[in-house]
Amino acid sequence: DAGVTQSPTHLIKTRGQHVTLRCSPISGHKSVSWYQQVLGQGPQFIFQYYEKEERGRGNFPDRFSARQFPNYSSELNVNALLLGDSALYLCASWWLAGIYNEQFFGPGTRLTVL
Amino acid sequence: AQSVTQPDIHITVSEGASLELRCNYSYGATPYLFWYVQSPGQGLQLLLKYFSGDTLVQGIKGFEAEFKRSQSSFNLRKPSVHWSDAAEYFCAVGPFNSGNTPLVFGKGTRLSVIA
Repeated sequence: DAGVTQSPTHLIKTRGQHVTLRCSPISGHKSVSWYQQVLGQGPQFIFQYYEKEERGRGNFPDRFSARQFPNYSSELNVNALLLGDSALYLCASWWLAGIYNEQFFGPGTRLTVL
Repeated sequence: AQSVTQPDIHITVSEGASLELRCNYSYGATPYLFWYVQSPGQGLQLLLKYFSGDTLVQGIKGFEAEFKRSQSSFNLRKPSVHWSDAAEYFCAVGPFNSGNTPLVFGKGTRLSVIA
């Protein structure tokens, strides 16, 4: 079975631009989370979605937004890019049921803002 | 507030030597605890997890970790390191009994393996 996939793998943007990152969860997984990993740091939570509804949001500005589609794929949008938005953006998916569900991470999208 | 501390930014060990990566957490309730590994240019792979029961948990690739509630620690160990273990290791904490709240990660420990 395919794992979590993310696109694009890499992209370069300039300050002030907008970017859309995409994530396809593992088949059957209905929940998706987004994390930002700045170089030298651990991942930081941005958003969580389940059944197309936002279930959690981290401490990120309103320039960051996301949505989940009926097929459970997800997009992360970042407006008015800043240099500090340069990071690896990770998507994780899991099947929300029961007490604990392992989150499976995709390979990430490396965003460079110049 | 939830937090995870990995005191060692970078560790270098010889191939075949034993390894221990430290992790301390701060959490107000019974936590889930995780260790993830990240190879260069890759996403995160779960090595092992703990949320109840035996405090010594076994994971993939020969790794194990021990949960010590009194010390708020969850250290990762491997008896004999292989060159392919060189990577970044992240400890993370999550809430018990909820699939809705995110993981909180430490800043990671970079492991280098020398011949």
